[in-house]
Amino acid sequence: GAVVSQHPSRVICKSGTSVKIECRSLDFQATTMFWYRQFPKQSLMLMATSNEGSKATYEQGVEKDKFLINHASLTLSTLTVTSAHPEDSSFYICSAKGGIVNEQYFGPGTRLTVT
Amino acid sequence: GDSVTQMEGPVTLSEEAFLTINCTYTATGYPSLFWYVQYPGEGLQLLLKATKADDKGSNKGFEATYRKETTSFHLEKGSVQVSDSAVYFCALRPNNAGNMLTFGGGTRLMVKP
Repeated sequence: GAVVSQHPSRVICKSGTSVKIECRSLDFQATTMFWYRQFPKQSLMLMATSNEGSKATYEQGVEKDKFLINHASLTLSTLTVTSAHPEDSSFYICSAKGGIVNEQYFGPGTRLTVT
Repeated sequence: GDSVTQMEGPVTLSEEAFLTINCTYTATGYPSLFWYVQYPGEGLQLLLKATKADDKGSNKGFEATYRKETTSFHLEKGSVQVSDSAVYFCALRPNNAGNMLTFGGGTRLMVKP
């Protein structure tokens, strides 16, 4: 149990375009979802925390107008990188928890490359 | 603030060798402690956890003991396999913050046949 999926697993987009990443909890209701960013050979950095039906809480230094997070249902959260630039290229990982799932379970990650 | 420090990698071992990856933390009170594993190109998987002092978490032959006196949560395995090659992250969650995880920098383990 406690499976979290992400889609797509890899995406390449051109500079200036927007890209949406989906995070789904497959077998539980995720009242809280988290978005992390991971640079090569580095640890995870929490970008934002979202609770279902409310606005996301962003960590210091994360531009909320650039990284739009929507958590409209108990099984789906989306991260939209707007007007992407090459420096946004990274590995984005989501996690989810909720209900009887007391710990964060992580998705497989999405590798974004902006050319 | 809270922090987690891990030994820097990479750690390179031969198959069946003994593994220790050190992890120490700084936090107030009694945080919960975790080890996550990340295989190449994948997200993180919870490996084991401990929620109070002297607890031992164990899974898949890995184990770690919550040592309050030394603020440590070292990961050990008696005999590693090539399939254990991955990056291992130590993390803590403060008792008074239900969601927030603070991660260490990660330690890459490479096991050679």
